[in-house]
Amino acid sequence: KAGVTQTPRYLIKTRGQQVTLSCSPISGHRSVSWYQQTPGQGLQFLFEYFSETQRNKGNFPGRFSGRQFSNSRSEMNVSTLELGDSALYLCASSLEGPETQYFGPGTRLLVL
Amino acid sequence: GDSVTQMEGPVTLSEEAFLTINCTYTATGYPSLFWYVQYPGEGLQLLLKATKADDKGSNKGFEATYRKETTSFHLEKGSVQVSDSAVYFCALSDFLGGSEKLVFGKGTKLTVNP
Repeated sequence: KAGVTQTPRYLIKTRGQQVTLSCSPISGHRSVSWYQQTPGQGLQFLFEYFSETQRNKGNFPGRFSGRQFSNSRSEMNVSTLELGDSALYLCASSLEGPETQYFGPGTRLLVL
Repeated sequence: GDSVTQMEGPVTLSEEAFLTINCTYTATGYPSLFWYVQYPGEGLQLLLKATKADDKGSNKGFEATYRKETTSFHLEKGSVQVSDSAVYFCALSDFLGGSEKLVFGKGTKLTVNP
């Protein structure tokens, strides 16, 4: 079974731009969660989608948004990028919830 | 809200040494507890988990016991290998608003020297 895939793996953007990251979950998994990982703040929960609906959202500004498609693939979007958005963005999928989440390799975003 | 505190790193050990990484948690309910491992350049992998008090999770020689009385979930391994070098994260599942999310500790970097 293929694992969680994330594209792109690396991204360089400048302040003020926007970015879209993609996540393809393990086949059959309906829950997709997104996390931001930085050296200072560690791993922080962004949001979770289940069957195309956002079920939960972390404490991030409205510039961070996401969606999930009918095939469970998910995208997250960050608008008006700031330097502090530089991070590793991890996607995780599971059948229904976080009890057994499988993580992708992440997308490393650098904002200049 | 719920939180996880794990020992600060980095931790440096020699091969075959005994490993303990401390993890304590604060939670209002009865969360499930996890240890994840992150190898350089990769995402997180679930190492082990425990879903209720006194449960012991184990995998690849690593063990952790869910201690409700001390709100702890310390990770142990009797004899570490160079290949165990990685960052280890303790986490709990936090039920919120009908869905659960993982709350992570800051991570502990382990380096094992030959």
